[in-house]
Amino acid sequence: QVQLVQSGAEVKKPGASVKVSCKASGYTFTSYDINWVRQATGHGLEWMGWMNPYGGNTDYSQKFQGRVTMTRDTSTSTAYMELHSLTSDDTAVYFCARGAPLIVYHMDVWGQGTTVTVSS
Amino acid sequence: DIQMTQSPSSLSASVGDRVAITCRASQSIDNYLNWYQQKPGKAPRLLIYATSTLQGGVPSRFTGSGSGTDFTLTISSLQPEDFATYFCQQTYSSLWTFGQGTKVE
Repeated sequence: QVQLVQSGAEVKKPGASVKVSCKASGYTFTSYDINWVRQATGHGLEWMGWMNPYGGNTDYSQKFQGRVTMTRDTSTSTAYMELHSLTSDDTAVYFCARGAPLIVYHMDVWGQGTTVTVSS
Repeated sequence: DIQMTQSPSSLSASVGDRVAITCRASQSIDNYLNWYQQKPGKAPRLLIYATSTLQGGVPSRFTGSGSGTDFTLTISSLQPEDFATYFCQQTYSSLWTFGQGTKVE
């Protein structure tokens, strides 16, 4: 079945970087965008950006421009999201989600989430 | 950025109730509106896209309506598994944004 499986929880110190992976299976990886969305505890959903696995092109939310990098490895059908210069405000659950451009763009398959904790 | 405002932020309902959640966009988004359900500790689940198209496997008691700036998610008869938080999302502009969520409890 179609699924996205993310890497495990991370604990990082302020100023460090974190790289989260998202492995796709059950569909052609290069045919759908991968979006990244985060959620701080008790808060709503915040879209960070998307990457097109076919060409590797990206579009990042202005909030994260210069601090986030989204890449992929097509040989393993894995997408990556790296966030730099972490602060405590980056403590959140990070989700990858497949972007489906049918009729209206929507996110139809989600990873299970990766908890990132930033603490000194 | 297009701001999405949901109301109410939370609501109390009982099994069998008809529930309506509204979502208002800060500018017209045509029909570029999606709805997601999220349960505690879980990833969001797509319910409805393009305002009113039901995602496969989603029960027909969920319906979506609206256009332009005002949208509604309706649950015709609330079931025990429907107690969750619901988010709207616009994909009209290239900066996707979500509503703040509505908790159904």
